[in-house]
Amino acid sequence: NAGVTQTPKFQVLKTGQSMTLQCAQDMNHEYMSWYRQDPGMGLRLIHYSVGAGITDQGEVPNGYNVSRSTTEDFPLRLLSAAPSQTSVYFCASSYSVRLGYPEAFFGQGTRLTVV
Amino acid sequence: QKEVEQDPGPLSVPEGAIVSLNCTYSNSAFQYFMWYRQYSRKGPELLMYTYSSGNKEDGRFTAQVDKSSKYISLFIRDSQPSDSATYLCAMSGMSSGTYKYIFGTGTRLKVLA
Repeated sequence: NAGVTQTPKFQVLKTGQSMTLQCAQDMNHEYMSWYRQDPGMGLRLIHYSVGAGITDQGEVPNGYNVSRSTTEDFPLRLLSAAPSQTSVYFCASSYSVRLGYPEAFFGQGTRLTVV
Repeated sequence: QKEVEQDPGPLSVPEGAIVSLNCTYSNSAFQYFMWYRQYSRKGPELLMYTYSSGNKEDGRFTAQVDKSSKYISLFIRDSQPSDSATYLCAMSGMSSGTYKYIFGTGTRLKVLA
């Protein structure tokens, strides 16, 4: 029972490079989301998905793309990395946040540094 | 003004003390209130989850919500060194047609043996 799995755990990118952060969950949860966590800013929602084929923007979506082709996977793409995207990224999943369920399961995080 | 305010700490207490962690918020649309624990270099872990006002107890943890004051609290009884972590409050609800899920910035707690 793996829960929410994020890869990679660490990544260093050069400015302008692109990359994809992977997130997979094995709990058949309909709701998945991506957050970034910065010192003094707390967790901020980047994008979320309420089911396969449905995605929406959160509080800080600029510079990121997502897609949800399956229930299990929710990758986050950085289109052209910038130093301001240096952060710790967390993927989360829940049965259904919109029905009042909380963000219940978080991955272990991806520490990204953009130089 | 931030929608959710949380004192960053750090808060240091001796083992066995009762710990009180708090958050205030400004948006009256929030209906669900959560507390998470986050150990260093790990993802947040859901501790408590309450709907609307009142108290909820789970072992050594009690979550309290006062919607009239827009104030939520987490109490930890008989604190242990293993409780040393950052505690994040979060709240959610529909506001102006948009679903919001907002985290506080976290309070660092250190329980001294």
